[in-house]
Amino acid sequence: AQSVSQHNHHVILSEAASLELGCNYSYGGTVNLFWYVQYPGQHLQLLLKYFSGDPLVKGIKGFEAEFIKSKFSFNLRKPSVQWSDTAEYFCALDNTDKLIFGTGTRLQVFP
Amino acid sequence: DGGITQSPKYLFRKEGQNVTLSCEQNLNHDAMYWYRQDPGQGLRLIYYSQIVNDFQKGDIAEGYSVSREKKESFPLTVTSAQKNPTAFYLCASRQDSGPYSNQPQHFGDGTRLSIL
Repeated sequence: AQSVSQHNHHVILSEAASLELGCNYSYGGTVNLFWYVQYPGQHLQLLLKYFSGDPLVKGIKGFEAEFIKSKFSFNLRKPSVQWSDTAEYFCALDNTDKLIFGTGTRLQVFP
Repeated sequence: DGGITQSPKYLFRKEGQNVTLSCEQNLNHDAMYWYRQDPGQGLRLIYYSQIVNDFQKGDIAEGYSVSREKKESFPLTVTSAQKNPTAFYLCASRQDSGPYSNQPQHFGDGTRLSIL
């Protein structure tokens, strides 16, 4: 069965620190992968998506993710976080007609 | 503006009551979804519908029911059979679905359901 794992449940960083959130998936076929973000009190928003082509995907607000097929990973990165990046981040796998979400990573950034 | 509207934002239910959560979209999307969000468990799929008058169970459908009589509407009923209904419920839609779709899902603002 397809699944998505996010091993970092809670990450605490200072502003300007670099960020990498892990996402691993289990699925043997062609994958479409997403990162969504949920800011406090707001709805889920799409950060970035990978369907095919360049494995390094750039999203909004300076985020990027790298699809590494051999490692079944799609880690999210940002070189320098800001206080406004405090949110919950979800990795998701597109299983043809539905999304499978990871359990989420709560990021807290302190000034 | 196009988007997904969920109502109400907060909902309280007494034990033994059924309650219905509304989800409306004006994006002309074919597919609609209901998720339940609990702390530490991410989003879990309750039901989804790829087309009008058709819907499928997700991973945690027990105690829930849905209908899809109109393209723009996908209401979710939380029945008294759902033993732990307190949660945050998210509705989403997507332009189309299937193996060749490259469209992301769009989400509503959610409904927080609590038991009195």
